Amino acid sequence: EVQLLESGGGLVQPGGSLRLSCAASGFTFTSTVMNWVRQAPGKGLEWVSTISNSDGRTFYADSVKGRFTISSDNSKNTLYLQMSSLRAEDTAVYYCVTRSNWKAFDCWGQGTLVTVSS
Amino acid sequence: EIVLTQSPATLSLSPGERATLSCRASQSISNYLAWYQQKPGQAPRLLIYDTSNRATGIPARFSGSGSGADFTLTISSLEPEDFAVYYCQQRSSWPITFGGGTKVEIK
Repeated sequence: EVQLLESGGGLVQPGGSLRLSCAASGFTFTSTVMNWVRQAPGKGLEWVSTISNSDGRTFYADSVKGRFTISSDNSKNTLYLQMSSLRAEDTAVYYCVTRSNWKAFDCWGQGTLVTVSS
Repeated sequence: EIVLTQSPATLSLSPGERATLSCRASQSISNYLAWYQQKPGQAPRLLIYDTSNRATGIPARFSGSGSGADFTLTISSLEPEDFAVYYCQQRSSWPITFGGGTKVEIK
């Protein structure tokens, strides 16, 4: 059974940093495309970033490019999202999501809430 | 960036009725469209990928169709558990984008 467990969310001041983690199990992490998708309170879904664990390629939404860094530790089956220069508009639930064979977002974690506020 | 427009924003129907949800892309996306269901307080769940392929465990009452820029999700006969928000999503080009959602509510 695929399991994705996010952690690291919380309250942070504008301009601050935070690192999210996603512990994965139940599938071959090293060959899976991993993603972060977020959802602001009461709003829709927004793709944030993607990493291909097999070759290390990364992709970012323009809204986070230069501020967020996605990475993976294949030895720990863990996905990360390093977030810096955080803004109020980054406030959202952040979901860790798999994407099999570069197709749809097929398995979702339960999410971790990031709140950016002074 | 490809913009996905979902309509209607809200669909008020009764259990047993047929639901038809629309997703229109700002340009052709071939068949690279997926649909998700989200219930309050839960993560989204994949229903349909590549326009018409049901994900594992999704009931046959959910079907997808379309091509190019116009797509439809149909729920043939609404069950009580189907009342939720539905999102479409394209993977034709970066950035990956989602539609704004359609809420299917009980009439």
